[in-house]
Amino acid sequence: AQSVSQHNHHVILSEAASLELGCNYSYGGTVNLFWYVQYPGQHLQLLLKYFSGDPLVKGIKGFEAEFIKSKFSFNLRKPSVQWSDTAEYFCAVNSITNAGGTSYGKLTFGQGTILTVHP
Amino acid sequence: DAGITQSPRHKVTETGTPVTLRCHQTENHRYMYWYRQDPGHGLRLIHYSYGVKDTDKGEVSDGYSVSRSKTEDFLLTLESATSSQTSVYFCAISESWRSAGNEQFFGPGTRLTVL
Repeated sequence: AQSVSQHNHHVILSEAASLELGCNYSYGGTVNLFWYVQYPGQHLQLLLKYFSGDPLVKGIKGFEAEFIKSKFSFNLRKPSVQWSDTAEYFCAVNSITNAGGTSYGKLTFGQGTILTVHP
Repeated sequence: DAGITQSPRHKVTETGTPVTLRCHQTENHRYMYWYRQDPGHGLRLIHYSYGVKDTDKGEVSDGYSVSRSKTEDFLLTLESATSSQTSVYFCAISESWRSAGNEQFFGPGTRLTVL
């Protein structure tokens, strides 16, 4: 079974600091990768996704992530955070099962990282 | 925002009572999912549906059942609620899962408390 691990439970930064949130997954096959964000009291929203091609993907609100297949990693980055980035961030993986099986898009989520940005 | 609604949005119930949560979508998406969110666990898949009347179990399906009699509605039932099922429940939908457009869109969530 696949699993997803987010290294940091709670990250505290000051505005304008750079951000990197770690995400590692365990699955040897083809995967699709996602980062979702959940602002306080709201539902999950997609930040960015990787399916194929350029391993550096850009998302909304200045976020980007790099897929490193050899390290099974998909870390989220932002060069300069804002107070409004305070939220919980989730990494998720969808395995594209080989012939004979299907995942139907089921997502496996990491535990989440709470980001607090101080003004 | 995708057209997904969940009802009720908040519910308090007692141990042993049955509870049904409803997810309704207006996007005509084929795939629907139920997740629960608990601190320290992220979101975990309970059940999912890949078409009308086609459902299957997810990672944490014990104590839950689902039904999908039409494209737009996906019901999650707790036959006999327990305190361990206190959680926030999210419904998600997806148009496709293999293509590049297979992101899941999430509903607003239902906060369930079982006393």
